[in-house]
Amino acid sequence: EIVLTQSPGTLSLSPGERATLSCRASQSVSSSYLAWYQQKPGQAPRLLIYGASSRATGIPDRFSGSGSGTDFTLTISRLEPEDFAVYYCQQYGSSQGTFGQGTKLEIK
Amino acid sequence: QVQLVQSGAEVKKPGSSVKVSCKASGGTFSSYAISWVRQAPGQGLEWMGGIIPIFGTANYAQKFQGRVTITTDESTSTAYMELSSLRSEDTAVYYCARAGLYCSGGSCYPDAFDIWGQGTMVTVSS
Repeated sequence: EIVLTQSPGTLSLSPGERATLSCRASQSVSSSYLAWYQQKPGQAPRLLIYGASSRATGIPDRFSGSGSGTDFTLTISRLEPEDFAVYYCQQYGSSQGTFGQGTKLEIK
Repeated sequence: QVQLVQSGAEVKKPGSSVKVSCKASGGTFSSYAISWVRQAPGQGLEWMGGIIPIFGTANYAQKFQGRVTITTDESTSTAYMELSSLRSEDTAVYYCARAGLYCSGGSCYPDAFDIWGQGTMVTVSS
């Protein structure tokens, strides 16, 4: 089973700043089948990025994903107030779809 | 626009079973995969398993093997997740999620989860 480790656990930033979230896999994620989700309190997760770097429908271009193999990054270029939430990475390149433990992005 | 509508909250006794439904509204899911993900209070997301209706085969996380059963009824575009031998640690919000398919090496797998249900709270308490 592939284990995903996200860092940092909590990221404190101000609106307008740049956020960089990391997701590291215990073994290579095949064909970059890596997704990022955003979750706000009381809501279901929302797909942001799939295939490591493709934005899902309707996702603003301030969100971008990069990486391959075992190291992946979600970047939010300029934080908007609505971006403060919890972010999860997920690998789906095998028959088991595991999630990272999440990064909480909070307002500084 | 397809929506996934889940059944309502449940309160169960330890040792019993729960069956949660997930109905595709505004479309079908026959050419997609349906997965189930749970989230305990204040915790992260945990993938439980999934099914590809056109193949009829379900795949489960090792942690839940033997305790979870995922099925679909294509006539009603509804997926089901049944979890047995409930314990207090199973208290969580249970989500269904839809994914497209990608195929590799003669097998097909779920893609990223693009549509989610609203979640169903299951409370296990004596």
